Amino acid sequence: KAGVTQTPRYLIKTRGQQVTLSCSPISGHRSVSWYQQTPGQGLQFLFEYFSETQRNKGNFPGRFSGRQFSNSRSEMNVSTLELGDSALYLCASSFTGTRLTDTQYFGPGTRLTVL
Amino acid sequence: GESVGLHLPTLSVQEGDNSIINCAYSNSASDYFIWYKQESGKGPQFIIDIRSNMDKRQGQRVTVLLNKTVKHLSLQIAATQPGDSAVYFCAETDSWGKLQFGAGTQVVVTP
Repeated sequence: KAGVTQTPRYLIKTRGQQVTLSCSPISGHRSVSWYQQTPGQGLQFLFEYFSETQRNKGNFPGRFSGRQFSNSRSEMNVSTLELGDSALYLCASSFTGTRLTDTQYFGPGTRLTVL
Repeated sequence: GESVGLHLPTLSVQEGDNSIINCAYSNSASDYFIWYKQESGKGPQFIIDIRSNMDKRQGQRVTVLLNKTVKHLSLQIAATQPGDSAVYFCAETDSWGKLQFGAGTQVVVTP
């Protein structure tokens, strides 16, 4: 079974631009969560989607948004990029995201650099 | 202002020895705990999990211990190998499955 895939793997943008990242979950998984990983803040939860609805949200500004499609694929968007948005963005999928033992499996991440 | 980078604690282990990685969690209501391993350039990889109604769980070469009294979690790796070199994260989760990660521990395996 194929794992979680994320595209692109690397991105370089300049301040003020916007960016869209894509995540394809493991087949059969309907919950997709996004995380930001930086040396300064570690791994932080952005948001979680299930059945095309945002079900949970972390403490990030409104510039960070996402969506999920009917095939469970998800995208996240960051508008008006700032230098501090440079990070590894990780996507994780699970079957439902609600049961305590519903393990989240991570993709390899998208490395975003903002210049 | 500029954020200070996280200084990851480092555990240096000789190949063949056992490793013990510790983690303190914050939420006494957390019901489920997971250990992830992250190698350079890769996403976190699931290692082992444990529910709050257990205090020990064993996998292949790994054991997780949970002490709810002091909110402490540990991961033991038996006969550490060079391929075990990575950053190890503990994570706790509430009923919605939103993972809250610890800062991580860098494990370096020396020959």
